[in-house]
Parts: sequence; C-alpha cells; structure tokens
Amino acid sequence: DTAVSQTPKYLVTQMGNDKSIKCEQNLGHDTMYWYKQDSKKFLKIMFSYNNKELIINETVPNRFSPKSPDKAHLNLHINSLELGDSAVYFCASSRDGAYEKLFFGSGTQLSVL
Amino acid sequence: GENVEQHPSTLSVQEGDSAVIKCTYSDSASNYFPWYKQELGKRPQLIIDIRSNVGEKKDQRIAVTLNKTAKHFSLHITETQPEDSAVYFCAAGAGNMLTFGGGTRLMVKP
Repeated sequence: DTAVSQTPKYLVTQMGNDKSIKCEQNLGHDTMYWYKQDSKKFLKIMFSYNNKELIINETVPNRFSPKSPDKAHLNLHINSLELGDSAVYFCASSRDGAYEKLFFGSGTQLSVL
Repeated sequence: GENVEQHPSTLSVQEGDSAVIKCTYSDSASNYFPWYKQELGKRPQLIIDIRSNVGEKKDQRIAVTLNKTAKHFSLHITETQPEDSAVYFCAAGAGNMLTFGGGTRLMVKP
C-alpha cells in the first residue's frame, strides 16, 4: 500500500533506446509531477499534471513525453536516450493542484551506457 | 524565475550539537517554504514547512525561521542524532512552482 509507486527502480539501457517509467499514486491527489535528480543531487521539476492536464512543462527536451491516462497515473516516456539523461527520476504527487506537501515515489535510477 | 541558494553544501557536526542550514530566495512572491530530508538511496520526505505569514515554526528538535524582508529562511536541528544524517533540501513556492535549493549533506558523527 505504498502511497506513490514507480517502476522500474533501476533502468540500464543503451544510448538511442526508448524507455518508459511508470508512476501511480493511491492518495487521491489531483496533481502529479516528474522531477529529475542529477549526480550532484540537484532536484529539478520537469513536468506537472493536474487532473490529467499539463500545467508545468519546464525546459525539457521534447524527447521526454509525459502521459497521464487518469489522475492516479503519470508515466514518463523517453525517446532516443542520451548519456546526459542518466539520473534519478522521481515521481511525486500533491493534493488540490498545489505544490505543497509533496509525496515522492522511491525513484528510478536511469543509467544510459 | 525563482532562484534558491542553499548553504552550506556539506555540514559535519558531533552528535548532540546543533545544525543550521540556510537558504535565500529571489522571488518576493514566494509564500511557501518546505524542507525535505533525503536519506541515502531513499526518496525526499517533507519534514517541516512554513508559510510567509509565519516567522517561525517548531516541531520537536526541528525548527524553521523565515525572514521575508531579507528573503532568507533557515532550518535548525537541535540535539542532533546519527539518524539525522541525510541530505536536506529547502524549497520556495510561488504560483504553481516549487524551486529547490541545491541540498546540504549533513553528517552527524557519533
């Protein structure tokens, strides 16, 4: 009964491949996010969805495409993976369209070889 | 956009001592300031937050202070314990955006 769950936990792949990360929350929250944490631990927002609608789309290459089939799910698809995409990707959720009191998933460690 | 600076980047203290982590922000419209703790290999977790209409908030050994005029806020941990060792992130929220600081690695030596 994990609040925010994301899969897979580890993802090792070759440059040029396409991969997806899935995220689900069972908290009944309206808003979900994708954050990227680089090797220096810096946390940066990538996308935010409120009730399946995109509300934040930071400067992220268009190789990254989020998809929200319903408000409990926010998946991240990445095309043509590059070495610089290696990072930990965290899904998060919050209630009421606000960014307050984020609940993070356990993270996906992506390694691009 | 908002810019959040966090200092120090690493902090080492003896068990039982106090630890202070400081953050500054640039956007005067920011009105929400949370602190997250991330243990090694784990997810960030909210430990305390404060709104701009409050100057100080305390929860057991943890306290946060906010100076809106100077645009800075701080996390204070008293009587540190080894389990306090982690990376701590401050953040500032304005509009629909939350911007994180660069993190502070706190090491509590037994």
